[in-house]
Amino acid sequence: DGGITQSPKYLFRKEGQNVTLSCEQNLNHDAMYWYRQDPGQGLRLIYYSQIVNDFQKGDIAEGYSVSREKKESFPLTVTSAQKNPTAFYLCASSTMTGADYGYTFGSGTRLTVV
Amino acid sequence: DQQVKQNSPSLSVQEGRISILNCDYTNSMFDYFLWYKKYPAEGPTFLISISSIKDKNEDGRFTVFLNKSAKHLSLHIVPSQPGDSAVYFCAASDRGSTLGRLYFGRGTQLTVWP
Repeated sequence: DGGITQSPKYLFRKEGQNVTLSCEQNLNHDAMYWYRQDPGQGLRLIYYSQIVNDFQKGDIAEGYSVSREKKESFPLTVTSAQKNPTAFYLCASSTMTGADYGYTFGSGTRLTVV
Repeated sequence: DQQVKQNSPSLSVQEGRISILNCDYTNSMFDYFLWYKKYPAEGPTFLISISSIKDKNEDGRFTVFLNKSAKHLSLHIVPSQPGDSAVYFCAASDRGSTLGRLYFGRGTQLTVWP
């Protein structure tokens, strides 16, 4: 079955550390996205990529970095520069035409800074 | 600047009654609209969509209405069931754009009580 896999489901990070969240899809989708969900804030776009080796900043990219070396993978690194990283992170993918048919979402990663 | 707005953060409805969730948008270039449903600690799942060439789309208990002149859409759930209790996100896209991204509202928490 095709889908998107995010790992780990729960992640704890000490202040000052970088952490990387994994996102893998086998849907053969060209575009991939990272969103952050906070209570009352909805889904806010961090980064997105429409093709391999290319990506763009979303609305809240500061303190985050991404790479897109393979079509299937779009890892997100939360750096120590991100001032409030505790949140629920969602990865999504779509066809190259983007939002024609909407996104398929992963099940999310809950990141907690301790 | 929020281009998609869900002004009601929460809605409480009795089982069997109709639930009406509302969404407004500001960008007149949006031509495709979607509703997603999200349970806690899970990724959103696609519920129903509508193209701007239509004013209504129905799928079982779910109906989406679009009023382009008012830049308003609504999701009707009839009859409401306790399993419908979740956060509902409205999303919109401009399919003519090369960016291919969805713009999400902040979500409405629907609670259906017995």
